[in-house]
Amino acid sequence: ETGVTQSPTHLIKTRGQQVTLRCSSQSGHNTVSWYQQALGQGPQFIFQYYREEENGRGNFPPRFSGLQFPNYSSELNVNALELDDSALYLCASSQELVGLFYEQFFGPGTRLTVL
Amino acid sequence: AQSVSQHNHHVILSEAASLELGCNYSYGGTVNLFWYVQYPGQHLQLLLKYFSGDPLVKGIKGFEAEFIKSKFSFNLRKPSVQWSDTAEYFCAVNALSNNDMRFGAGTRLTVKP
Repeated sequence: ETGVTQSPTHLIKTRGQQVTLRCSSQSGHNTVSWYQQALGQGPQFIFQYYREEENGRGNFPPRFSGLQFPNYSSELNVNALELDDSALYLCASSQELVGLFYEQFFGPGTRLTVL
Repeated sequence: AQSVSQHNHHVILSEAASLELGCNYSYGGTVNLFWYVQYPGQHLQLLLKYFSGDPLVKGIKGFEAEFIKSKFSFNLRKPSVQWSDTAEYFCAVNALSNNDMRFGAGTRLTVKP
């Protein structure tokens, strides 16, 4: 397995609440990308952080926000949770080489259920 | 925005059969292309990637993919599959202009021993 870790493993929230998911990147990696994977679908790109700045965003509303810390770990925050936010949230880290997605290492994911 | 289509939802093969999984994308600009694999109970991992140069790229475990720019395709191939290739396969496209990354819906491959 990779050196990317995510916490928590599972989470149950109710509609309207806020949630914070955490990701520790692989040693030496300075880029973290977050994805949402609904059941039976491919991962959907939420955003990417490179050297603590957002560097690319998919089609997700502003209530999805993030942070990257000086040690390159990252947080994904989701406000005003909706039922459709129930999904597996994946974090992937990479080291800028040819490009920021050059070789991503994925974590195991956090399974979020919104009731 | 780009989109990625994987033509087959579920493919079932016998061991030693040849494999080709289709992937087409819609985006007119410069792209980087990827295939990822997820074995049962494991994390997503990179199988191979195309950034530039030879359009025929080789990845791990005997997989290869060919980028055909005129067809906007990046099909995955393996001459002879093994039972251990049973997994879900995802094609992904990174559009360089806006650093967006799109995955296909995935193809589940089942290899019968």
